[in-house]
Amino acid sequence: GAVVSQHPSWVICKSGTSVKIECRSLDFQATTMFWYRQFPKQSLMLMATSNEGSKATYEQGVEKDKFLINHASLTLSTLTVTSAHPEDSSFYICSAPTGLRDTQYFGPGTRLTVL
Amino acid sequence: AQSVTQLDSQVPVFEEAPVELRCNYSSSVSVYLFWYVQYPNQGLQLLLKYLSGSTLVKGINGFEAEFNKSQTSFHLRKPSVHISDTAEYFCAVSEASNTGKLIFGQGTTLQVKP
Repeated sequence: GAVVSQHPSWVICKSGTSVKIECRSLDFQATTMFWYRQFPKQSLMLMATSNEGSKATYEQGVEKDKFLINHASLTLSTLTVTSAHPEDSSFYICSAPTGLRDTQYFGPGTRLTVL
Repeated sequence: AQSVTQLDSQVPVFEEAPVELRCNYSSSVSVYLFWYVQYPNQGLQLLLKYLSGSTLVKGINGFEAEFNKSQTSFHLRKPSVHISDTAEYFCAVSEASNTGKLIFGQGTTLQVKP
């Protein structure tokens, strides 16, 4: 079946630095990808919709200048957490719909820890 | 807008016992309904989905769910659980006209005890 990968799987960084997380669709093209954030023991919250070749659409309350999303190709979306702070520590998960609109595949997630 | 409520945050159950994880949703438009499972430090895996047709949906690992439109529910069931079913389970909904955006419930931790 379709596979979505994320890199890195975990990252630790210092406060004030920026971190880039990649989301790739390995065997299908995705014009749209979604980025979620999950705090410990909590549900997934949709952060933004990544659109290939155009600007991302952010959910209400998500700082677009802090969470930069770039969807440069049909198989790659990146999320950059800029000037990270400890409160940005979380599990970030991406997903991509396949050609069947009701089917999405999720990446394994990236755990970000900001010291 | 849609919302999803999972009524139980934790469900402890003994191995080989039946289990039901409850999910209620609200929406003013037609929706698709999903159940996902998440094992520790992993992404989400689709268990089953309801799009249309038969209200009883069968998924992987012996799970099934029943869509009840009048009660706006989509409860997940398994007649006999295994230790390996211990995980976090999420109910999710999307608009039928915009299936990309999923709204998730709070999650239910299923703890299967020997």
